[in-house]
Order: sequence, then structure tokens, then C-alpha cells
Amino acid sequence: EVQLVESGGAVVQPGGSLRLSCAVSGFTFDDYTMHWVRQAPGKGPEWVSLINWDGRNTDYADSVKGRFTISRDNSKSSLYLQMNSLRTEDTAFYYCAKEGSDYYFDYIDSWGQGTLVSVSS
Amino acid sequence: QSALTQPASVSGSPGQSITISCTGTSRDVGGYNYVSWYQQHPGKAPKVMIYEVSNRPSGVSYRFSGSKSGNTASLTISGLQPEDEADYYCSSYTTSATGVFGTGTKVTVL
Repeated sequence: EVQLVESGGAVVQPGGSLRLSCAVSGFTFDDYTMHWVRQAPGKGPEWVSLINWDGRNTDYADSVKGRFTISRDNSKSSLYLQMNSLRTEDTAFYYCAKEGSDYYFDYIDSWGQGTLVSVSS
Repeated sequence: QSALTQPASVSGSPGQSITISCTGTSRDVGGYNYVSWYQQHPGKAPKVMIYEVSNRPSGVSYRFSGSKSGNTASLTISGLQPEDEADYYCSSYTTSATGVFGTGTKVTVL
């Protein structure tokens, strides 16, 4: 069974930093692209970032480019999201998600339970 | 990276068919067959219902089908059932090598 477990969500002040982690199991981690997707309370999902299987290729939504950094440690089956210069509009549940195909970005077939990041003074 | 446009709500009676549209541009929906649809019940993570425009993952009911014409993709739910009441989101790959989700559609079973 595929399991994705996020951690690291917290309340942080504007301008602050936070690092999210995602521990995965149930599949061969280094075979797949991984994503971060966020969802503000009462809003739709927003794709945030992805990293390919070996970590050499990454992409970001314009809204987080230059502030967030995605990374992975295949030896630990773990995905990370370093978030700097946080803004109030970054407040959301952050989901770790698994790419569903062999392609770089096709669709998401598994999601974690989400971790809440709240940016507030 | 503007969100794809979906109707805010669609409703139907049990047994009826409904269709949800998802309109983008040639830089996303119209340019690729990497369009997917997700169902989300309150308090739950999204679940993929359709991928690559019209493919159904194993375990998803045959009542869900997808199609695309130009810059608009569509999700059809036939034989509407009470458990289909949920929010639905489309998603597409874009020319910027990023992803984009739709604005979301609330499906109500009358």
C-alpha cells in the first residue's frame, strides 16, 4: 500500500521559513517524479512544485519560484520542501503527491493526508 | 499559470448524466493530452478519476468518462449516484513544464 506522510507544518510569521518533509513507503521511491500541491482552506488545489526521480530536474509555480526549494533523498525515501520568505497567501494544507506515470508530469495517483502551514503575525 | 475555468456548480438527479467542462488555452489543455480529473470529498485528499484525457484508473467506476475538444476538456458522470456528490477539479500539464488545476466544480445530487 502506498503511503505518503507529511510533517513539518506549523504557524509561522510572515517572512519566516519552514521545511516540510514527506516519508513515503509502498512503492519504489526513486522510480517516480514527486510533487507538492497545496490547498488553502475552502479553495481548490494549487500545484506547487515537482522533482524528477533523481532530483536533477525541478519546476515551480510562479507564485513560489525563488522562495521554495524542492528536494529528495532517495536513500531515505523522503521528499522535502524548503519554504522561505513566507507570505500570508502561502497559508494552506500542503500535500506530498506521487506522479502516476513514467512521464515527467502526467497526473497524480497518490496523495498524503496534508500538513497545515499557517502564515500569520 | 492562470487556473483552468470550470463551472462553479453542476447538479443532477440520481440516474441522470452530467458534464463538467474545463477550459484552458493552447498552452495547457489544448496543447497536451495530459489532462486529468480529480474528485474530492470534504476533508479528504483528491482522488484521480480520469487521466490522459480519457483513461480511467483501475477501481474507478465506468460511469466516469473524459474527453477533449480544442482547449476544452470534459468530464461526464453517467447514472449519477449520491456518492458522486463532491468537488471535481481538472488539471493539465503546461508549456512552462508546470501543472495547473481548474477552479473546481461542486456537483450536487438532487
